Amino acid sequence: AQSVTQLGSHVSVSEGALVLLRCNYSSSVPPYLFWYVQYPNQGLQLLLKYTSAATLVKGINGFEAEFKKSETSFHLTKPSAHMSDAAEYFCAVSDHAENQGGKLIFGQGTELSVKP
Amino acid sequence: DTAVSQTPKYLVTQMGNDKSIKCEQNLGHDTMYWYKQDSKKFLKIMFSYNNKELIINETVPNRFSPKSPDKAHLNLHINSLELGDSAVYFCASSRFLAGGVDTQYFGPGTRLTVL
Repeated sequence: AQSVTQLGSHVSVSEGALVLLRCNYSSSVPPYLFWYVQYPNQGLQLLLKYTSAATLVKGINGFEAEFKKSETSFHLTKPSAHMSDAAEYFCAVSDHAENQGGKLIFGQGTELSVKP
Repeated sequence: DTAVSQTPKYLVTQMGNDKSIKCEQNLGHDTMYWYKQDSKKFLKIMFSYNNKELIINETVPNRFSPKSPDKAHLNLHINSLELGDSAVYFCASSRFLAGGVDTQYFGPGTRLTVL
């Protein structure tokens, strides 16, 4: 069965510093992978997704993620953190069956804090 | 021009009551979902509908009954509410991809508190 592990439930960085949020997945089939962001009291917004095309995926707000099959990882990075990046981040892997559509299996989430 | 909307945003009720949460999407998608986010922010799928037909039904108590009157709506009815039902419930929608998962668009959530 597919699963996702996010290392670190809470990450704190200074404004302008590199953001690195870790995600490892387990999947019996070539995975589709997603990063979503949740701002306080809001729904989830897609940051980026990997669907077996380029391994380096660029998303919104300056975020990107690299799919590494050998490491079963899909870590999220941003070169320079901004105060507005403070939020909860979720990594998700697809779980799908032929002709049955699919569902997302989410990691536990990582709360990103940005210090001035 | 909200893509996925839910009502109500907050719902406070007593144990044993029956309540409903409504979801509507105007994206033209044919697949809709209900997810539950617990107090530790863990998200888990509950149900998925494609063209008004139930296609995913996770291990959810049968007190929870989804209903899809048309492709744009997916409502969640909960009978005999329990304390453990307190959570944030998210509706989502996507295109249907056989053998795949397309981007899911989430609503703002409904925070249910059972007293």
